[in-house]
Amino acid sequence: DTAVSQTPKYLVTQMGNDKSIKCEQNLGHDTMYWYKQDSKKFLKIMFSYNNKELIINETVPNRFSPKSPDKAHLNLHINSLELGDSAVYFCASRGGPTGELFFGEGSRLTVL
Amino acid sequence: QKEVEQDPGPLSVPEGAIVSLNCTYSNSAFQYFMWYRQYSRKGPELLMYTYSSGNKEDGRFTAQVDKSSKYISLFIRDSQPSDSATYLCAPYSSASKIIFGSGTRLSIRP
Repeated sequence: DTAVSQTPKYLVTQMGNDKSIKCEQNLGHDTMYWYKQDSKKFLKIMFSYNNKELIINETVPNRFSPKSPDKAHLNLHINSLELGDSAVYFCASRGGPTGELFFGEGSRLTVL
Repeated sequence: QKEVEQDPGPLSVPEGAIVSLNCTYSNSAFQYFMWYRQYSRKGPELLMYTYSSGNKEDGRFTAQVDKSSKYISLFIRDSQPSDSATYLCAPYSSASKIIFGSGTRLSIRP
């Protein structure tokens, strides 16, 4: 049973379109994140939610809008997609005795 | 200065070699130090976790932290082709978000 699952795994779309990525965790953690990983493997934090409340917003364009309907789910909606949005987007939840991050498999977004 | 700096590599070594991966950080408040391993087309997963300065060993892996110089290392002994991956360091404090280094791409040649 996957701890952090994201859908879809792959998205290919045209510039200007809108897309969403969904994330669910079954670990019972209160805190969830979105990270963006570029082609050079740099993993950059975008947003964090704690029990449905936004606690971190890292200067991300407002075309990106996260939503957390409950503490087990964190979705990411992206409006007016641009070429530079092409990346792998990782969802993660944080918890356990070490406070480690548990990552999903990633959603690879390609904007043409 | 970036909060966490890591040599991106790529680093290519023969099977059986000892590998040393390193990071430096700037925030002296960091108390927890994690190493994540990321295989191609997969999400990162926790490899090692240490608290404060010192060494921690787990099988062929040793994590070392020197808080006085803000320097963290991961050593891999008897490296195997299955160790080929990107390794990301992530120092943090209980009050901070988790920020990753840029990752070092490691390739172990059979």
